Amino acid sequence: GNSVTQMEGPVTLSEEAFLTINCTYTATGYPSLFWYVQYPGEGLQLLLKATKADDKGSNKGFEATYRKETTSFHLEKGSVQVSDSAVYFCALSEKNTDKLIFGTGTRLQVFP
Amino acid sequence: GAVVSQHPSWVICKSGTSVKIECRSLDFQATTMFWYRQFPKQSLMLMATSNEGSKATYEQGVEKDKFLINHASLTLSTLTVTSAHPEDSSFYICSASAEDLYEQYFGPGTRLTVT
Repeated sequence: GNSVTQMEGPVTLSEEAFLTINCTYTATGYPSLFWYVQYPGEGLQLLLKATKADDKGSNKGFEATYRKETTSFHLEKGSVQVSDSAVYFCALSEKNTDKLIFGTGTRLQVFP
Repeated sequence: GAVVSQHPSWVICKSGTSVKIECRSLDFQATTMFWYRQFPKQSLMLMATSNEGSKATYEQGVEKDKFLINHASLTLSTLTVTSAHPEDSSFYICSASAEDLYEQYFGPGTRLTVT
């Protein structure tokens, strides 16, 4: 079945460091891919998405590129801030469905 | 943006009792609501999908008689955990979507502890 694998955390970085959180997926067909973020005490929020191969999703300085050949959707940010500290979830949905399949989440801690 | 709330945020109940969790869309009408369960350090697992006014569709392995879902209005869905046992202790998260929103909006979650 379809699944999402993302790196375990926590990821601990200093402010302004470069961030990569790896995400790979297994799916039949061509799913849509998502990154969600959960700040402390809040619900999951959609951070960015990509719906087809080679698409790049971007938001708030974060980027991720849909790589079909490596079945990956790695999240990157060039310079993290303390306010980026949160849990990040990679997810996929099959075409024409609303169902989301999530990875386990990666906690990011950014220190000043 | 669209806001989804859950109540309560945290509940403790005794084994054998039932507990109800509410999920509300505060500023939009949710045609579809989803219920997820999350164990520590694990993924969110979809339990069921509910459309307003119709019966919920449960994922494989989820006991529909144990996890009762009602979506009686376009702004409210409830999850009732019946005859709860310690193994039901978990973090329950709901989300809501509408035809014109193109994404799911998530509530903050409810932590259930069964003693």
